Amino acid sequence: GEDVEQSLFLSVREGDSSVINCTYTDSSSTYLYWYKQEPGAGLQLLTYIFSNMDMKQDQRLTVLLNKKDKHLSLRIADTQTGDSAIYFCAESNSNSGYALNFGKGTSLLVTP
Amino acid sequence: SAVISQKPSRDICQRGTSLTIQCQVDSQVTMMFWYRQQPGQSLTLIATANQGSEATYESGFVIDKFPISRPNLTFSTLTVSNMSPEDSSIYLCSVDQGVGTEAFFGQGTRLTVV
Repeated sequence: GEDVEQSLFLSVREGDSSVINCTYTDSSSTYLYWYKQEPGAGLQLLTYIFSNMDMKQDQRLTVLLNKKDKHLSLRIADTQTGDSAIYFCAESNSNSGYALNFGKGTSLLVTP
Repeated sequence: SAVISQKPSRDICQRGTSLTIQCQVDSQVTMMFWYRQQPGQSLTLIATANQGSEATYESGFVIDKFPISRPNLTFSTLTVSNMSPEDSSIYLCSVDQGVGTEAFFGQGTRLTVV
């Protein structure tokens, strides 16, 4: 299947901004998602963006999409220790019946 | 948003036995999916649960091992059959309203096979 790639680890200081990056290969990707998974918990949908959008902002979260480069990023402003979690990038398209294809997840560690 | 209740939340099972996981949604949904998350790994789609017909399985997953039911638009079950330690994973139910709408996940079932 098509690939979704993420860096595995990111460490930031509390109060700084975090930027988590994701690349994908499927040019027919229609929707791109960011999920958060805390230890022992399920997946929490943070935000998603349609492929004809460049940017989406929701409070501390900013999603940027470069469709030409197939690059997606999630910026978390004023990162807090409660933001420490694994962040998954995922894409979906009509070919997969809109099931999600996930990256391996980026483990974000926020230090005081 | 859809509220998804998955049961059981966790279980420890003997090898060779089977476990049925339930997924109940608080509203009718178009699409229901089952995913597996092996320890330290990402999520892999097992199958799409189709209402009133056989599930559509992804490569590497078969009906005999993972039978799925979806009797209506709010409920689905996944059975993990003849379990082995390699089946130890988190199993997650996901729903959306189709056409790339928001996809929501249950809390998952953490399965350990001993």
